[in-house]
Amino acid sequence: EPEVTQTPSHQVTQMGQEVILRCVPISNHLYFYWYRQILGQKVEFLVSFYNNEISEKSEIFDDQFSVERPDGSNFTLKIRSTKLEDSAMYFCASRLSRVTEAFFGQGTRLTVV
Amino acid sequence: GESVGLHLPTLSVQEGDNSIINCAYSNSASDYFIWYKQESGKGPQFIIDIRSNMDKRQGQRVTVLLNKTVKHLSLQIAATQPGDSAVYFCAVPLGVEYGNKLVFGAGTILRVKS
Repeated sequence: EPEVTQTPSHQVTQMGQEVILRCVPISNHLYFYWYRQILGQKVEFLVSFYNNEISEKSEIFDDQFSVERPDGSNFTLKIRSTKLEDSAMYFCASRLSRVTEAFFGQGTRLTVV
Repeated sequence: GESVGLHLPTLSVQEGDNSIINCAYSNSASDYFIWYKQESGKGPQFIIDIRSNMDKRQGQRVTVLLNKTVKHLSLQIAATQPGDSAVYFCAVPLGVEYGNKLVFGAGTILRVKS
């Protein structure tokens, strides 16, 4: 069964450092997303990406965040200068269409120290 | 916009009983709804979905009910098992004007007692 894969599964970084979280969405999907989840809280939307551009971003997704789809398979989230409050699980998701379910990866646990 | 919320943050049920998890949504134009299950340390996993032209949809041991009049949906799990213990989220996709994003509810923790 096709699946969304994310790497790394766990990333520890020092405050102020740049991190890149990587995702390989399902190959024929058209809509791509990044979400984050602070421990014990709900899944928060960060950004959606369609047709090679950002279609929507949340207030969390400030100038320190960026996304790229550098080739036909990868979808990355970059945080330029991490803060302690960026510590969370980050999930990538993809969908085939607007009225189909989103498939989620297993997440990257980001710990900023 | 869309806000999605849940009525009960934690639900404890006895193994073998039925579970009902509720969700309210705010946008009457929403036309598609999804339930996800999230186990500890894992990503959300699709359980079942329903479109607004239906009021009930059944899967294996799960049923989703949609009441568009009061903007409410529920997830029913029959004969709840220990493996059903997880956090359950309802999610509503928004339209192109909102980037087709999926908005999640707060989540309900389901605890199954053996």
